[in-house]
Amino acid sequence: NAGVTQTPKFQVLKTGQSMTLQCAQDMNHNSMYWYRQDPGMGLRLIYYSASEGTTDKGEVPNGYNVSRLNKREFSLRLESAAPSQTSVYFCASSEIAFTYGANVLTFGAGSRLTVL
Amino acid sequence: AQSVTQLGSHVSVSEGALVLLRCNYSSSVPPYLFWYVQYPNQGLQLLLKYTSAATLVKGINGFEAEFKKSETSFHLTKPSAHMSDAAEYFCAVSVGQASGYSTLTFGKGTMLLVSP
Repeated sequence: NAGVTQTPKFQVLKTGQSMTLQCAQDMNHNSMYWYRQDPGMGLRLIYYSASEGTTDKGEVPNGYNVSRLNKREFSLRLESAAPSQTSVYFCASSEIAFTYGANVLTFGAGSRLTVL
Repeated sequence: AQSVTQLGSHVSVSEGALVLLRCNYSSSVPPYLFWYVQYPNQGLQLLLKYTSAATLVKGINGFEAEFKKSETSFHLTKPSAHMSDAAEYFCAVSVGQASGYSTLTFGKGTMLLVSP
């Protein structure tokens, strides 16, 4: 099984350009997440989708939009990229999103984005 | 609000030595806690999770963690380090969101360096 697949793995953008990061999971999970990882900052949640048809903001949503295309796919869009968005982006999924519980996340391999 | 703090951005040990990675949590409710590992250029993988069933939790690759409520700690240990344990380790806690669902909040990570 592929698990969580992210594309592209690497991307270089110029300031102001737009792009979409794609994520797909084949585990029939209901919930999906986008995190960004920066040195010394750990992982910070950008957006999540608890179930198909819903999306919610996380800790650092500014400058991003998401689309839960169907149960399998969750995309992250940068409308006008800024150098501050240079980061490694991780998509993750979990079987369900508990109202409060032990969500076990499965992560993709990451997408490294550089904005010049 | 729930949070975790990892003490030490880098920990160095010799092969065969004890590994101790520190994590303290802050939570007003019984916490759900996790340790994840990230090998170079990969996504995060679950090492172990605490869900209140037992205070000593055993994970993969010989790692274990002990939940200590009195110390608000969830430190990760391994009796004997192996070169293959060199990676970055993240402590995480489940956090309730305004949406009614829960997500994971990660610590800033601890890089484990293992020398021969």
